[in-house]
Amino acid sequence: QVQLVQSGSELKKPGASVKVSCKASGYTFISHTVNWVRQAPGQGLEWMGWINTNTGNPTYAQGFTGRFVFSLDTSVSTAYLQISSLTAEDTAVYYCARCPTAQNFPDYWGQGTLVTVSS
Amino acid sequence: DIVMTQSPDSLAVSLGERATINCKSSQSVLYSSNNKSFLAWFQQKPGQPPKLLIYWASTRESGVPDRFSGSGSGTDFTLTISSLQAEDVAVYYCQQYYGSPFTFGPGTKVDIK
Repeated sequence: QVQLVQSGSELKKPGASVKVSCKASGYTFISHTVNWVRQAPGQGLEWMGWINTNTGNPTYAQGFTGRFVFSLDTSVSTAYLQISSLTAEDTAVYYCARCPTAQNFPDYWGQGTLVTVSS
Repeated sequence: DIVMTQSPDSLAVSLGERATINCKSSQSVLYSSNNKSFLAWFQQKPGQPPKLLIYWASTRESGVPDRFSGSGSGTDFTLTISSLQAEDVAVYYCQQYYGSPFTFGPGTKVDIK
């Protein structure tokens, strides 16, 4: 069955970096794109962007450029989200989600990774 | 960017009654070449990731109960729960995937009256 398993919760200090992983199984990794979505505490869903698993080409939404990097390791069917220069405003649950290629609605989601930024 | 709005912000419905959630996009998400609206609905329960309910505005995802239905085209969409069950308590989001960024609505919280 299709699964997206994300890495565990992280507690980071301001200014640090974090790398969240999203390991896919149960389907051909490169047949679907991976989207990233942020949810701040008590807030709604915010689309961060996506990465083409065939080419590795990332697309970032406004507000998620510069400090945010999407990457892949197709040999282990894993997508990554790296965030640098963390601030308290980055405290959120980060979700990866699979989207059928050329149809960007997420049909399977990871369980989410809570990133807490606190001194 | 396409801005998505939802109404109401929250609603409380008696068990077995109908719940209706509206979603509006700031511009049409209808792709004329295939006459499909690029609009999805998600359900999110506390502590869980969102779950896809509806895509192409009205196509129910496999395994989703048929009490959930989506309708609308262009800029105005509706998610209807025909007979609310206790397990339907959740926040519901619409999302357009017509144009990047693929924006979500702010969500509608559904509770039992």
